Amino acid sequence: GAGVSQSPRYKVAKRGQDVALRCDPISGHVSLFWYQQALGQGPEFLTYFQNEAQLDKSGLPSDRFFAERPEGSVSTLKIQRTQQEDSAVYLCASSPGLAGSATGELFFGEGSRLTVL
Amino acid sequence: QQQVKQSPQSLIVQKGGISIINCAYENTAFDYFPWYQQFPGKGPALLIAIRPDVSEKKEGRFTISFNKSAKQFSLHIMDSQPGDSATYFCAASMRTGANNLFFGTGTRLTVIP
Repeated sequence: GAGVSQSPRYKVAKRGQDVALRCDPISGHVSLFWYQQALGQGPEFLTYFQNEAQLDKSGLPSDRFFAERPEGSVSTLKIQRTQQEDSAVYLCASSPGLAGSATGELFFGEGSRLTVL
Repeated sequence: QQQVKQSPQSLIVQKGGISIINCAYENTAFDYFPWYQQFPGKGPALLIAIRPDVSEKKEGRFTISFNKSAKQFSLHIMDSQPGDSATYFCAASMRTGANNLFFGTGTRLTVIP
């Protein structure tokens, strides 16, 4: 596709439910990032993939958060046993270059808004 | 700990005026400073970026001023237009080490006609 595609755009979950958020990056982009954006805040880094390898997961807030990119393109962010504090917009971004080329442009999707009741 | 501090939180400017948003950082390892623009319901989009080897970069109505010694950088929007109304984020990253962008908290700009 022309841009980064994320689904679902909106997700309402009851506390304790598991959720899965999908990201389709721009075709051919090597780098893929997940960010969490709380209401009124800037995006905060969660994790980074270079192709299928998860090279950095230092931003994942707890072991309830898990991300994968098994074939080096589509990625899924999974949140187990959701809590109210998980409510946020989850942004996926891709980049054609390698990171430490978070020094290159990141192309963001429109995000998945998660609301945990 | 906020790696990049951004101000003001919100800004109202008359059409045709100059919008100025400021950011400061502490980590001298940062060597790439982009600004992202975000409209409601959309993801951030790169607006303009600078590296510390230059003190200013201009692209159309948008200018980044960079002060390496003060560890500060700012975005100037000249001739602000209602279509510029959005949230602006400064960010910083480093070539080695961390694999991610550190974002500021954002500035909501409103340009009134």
